[in-house]
Amino acid sequence: GAVVSQHPSRVICKSGTSVKIECRSLDFQATTMFWYRQFPKQSLMLMATSNEGSKATYEQGVEKDKFLINHASLTLSTLTVTSAHPEDSSFYICSARDGFSGTYEQFFGPGTRLTVL
Amino acid sequence: GENVEQHPSTLSVQEGDSAVIKCTYSDSASNYFPWYKQELGKRPQLIIDIRSNVGEKKDQRIAVTLNKTAKHFSLHITETQPEDSAVYFCAAPGLTGGGNKLTFGTGTQLKVEL
Repeated sequence: GAVVSQHPSRVICKSGTSVKIECRSLDFQATTMFWYRQFPKQSLMLMATSNEGSKATYEQGVEKDKFLINHASLTLSTLTVTSAHPEDSSFYICSARDGFSGTYEQFFGPGTRLTVL
Repeated sequence: GENVEQHPSTLSVQEGDSAVIKCTYSDSASNYFPWYKQELGKRPQLIIDIRSNVGEKKDQRIAVTLNKTAKHFSLHITETQPEDSAVYFCAAPGLTGGGNKLTFGTGTQLKVEL
């Protein structure tokens, strides 16, 4: 149980384009989803937290107009990187938490490798 | 917010030896402490977690200890094997203010040598 999928797994785009990444919880209700960014050989840096049906809460330094997050249902959250630039190239990972379970455990998606040319 | 420090950043052990990774946290309200293992290019996988009402938890070759007074917790891997080689992250939730997010440590690259 507790499977999270993420799509696409890998994307290459040109500078200035927008990229959408989907995160789905397959067998539980994700009341909260988290989006992380991970640069090579670094830790997971939280970008934003989203609760189903609410606006996302962004971490300090993360541009909310550049990284658009939508969490419209209990099984799907999307991250859109708008007007992507080479410095946005990174490994983006989502995680999901089932708030009904009463635990803090987060289940991670497999990640999306974004390369902006 | 929560501040989590993790040491060492790299750790090399011989196969069969034990490995210990330590983390400290700042928010005394934190009550859940997971450890994740991440292989290159893969997702973090939860390997063990501990809650603040216990001081130690063990699962086969893996154990976690928690000292709430000192605000530190450690991961212990015994009889290490080559497949234990990966990056390990600790995390803490930082609950002051009602937060539910995890703050991760900086990671430990564990290498188990034959």
